[in-house]
Amino acid sequence: DAGVIQSPRHEVTEMGQEVTLRCKPISGHNSLFWYRQTMMRGLELLIYFNNNVPIDDSGMPEDRFSAKMPNASFSTLKIQPSEPRDSAVYFCASSLTWASNEQFFGPGTRLTVL
Amino acid sequence: GDSVTQMEGPVTLSEEAFLTINCTYTATGYPSLFWYVQYPGEGLQLLLKATKADDKGSNKGFEATYRKETTSFHLEKGSVQVSDSAVYFCALSELTGGGNKLTFGTGTQLKVEL
Repeated sequence: DAGVIQSPRHEVTEMGQEVTLRCKPISGHNSLFWYRQTMMRGLELLIYFNNNVPIDDSGMPEDRFSAKMPNASFSTLKIQPSEPRDSAVYFCASSLTWASNEQFFGPGTRLTVL
Repeated sequence: GDSVTQMEGPVTLSEEAFLTINCTYTATGYPSLFWYVQYPGEGLQLLLKATKADDKGSNKGFEATYRKETTSFHLEKGSVQVSDSAVYFCALSELTGGGNKLTFGTGTQLKVEL
């Protein structure tokens, strides 16, 4: 079975550009999570969705970040405009239901903003 | 709020040595506890979990016991291998009205040498 799929795996962009990260959760999973990992701050939860509805976006750093989940099989995390401090690895994870305590992680997108 | 504290790394061991990575937690209710492992260049994978006090999670020779009295969930392995080199994350989750969110520790890097 396919796990969580993320694209691109690596993204290098210049400051000020728009960046869009993509995630396909495991089929049948109803909850989706976006995390950011940096050396300084570790693993941070940015936002999560239940049944395509954003439940908690308190971890989104600022208005430059936005996330959508237009359907059960696709989500995007957008940064506009990007800044060098956004450089990090961004992970998407999914779980079976909102009450499930096990999350399955994708391989991550390594973002570098020059 | 909930928090997880784990020992700082890196931890460097010789092959076949005994491993302990300490993890303690703070939670308001009765959380589930997890150990995730992250191999270089990959996403996090669930290693083991325990959902109630005195439960022991185990997988691939790793074990951890949910100790409510000491609020701990230490990871142990009797004989480590070079292939165990990775970053290990302790985490907890509590079911709230908004679902299950994972709270991660900062991660402990393990290096196993021949």
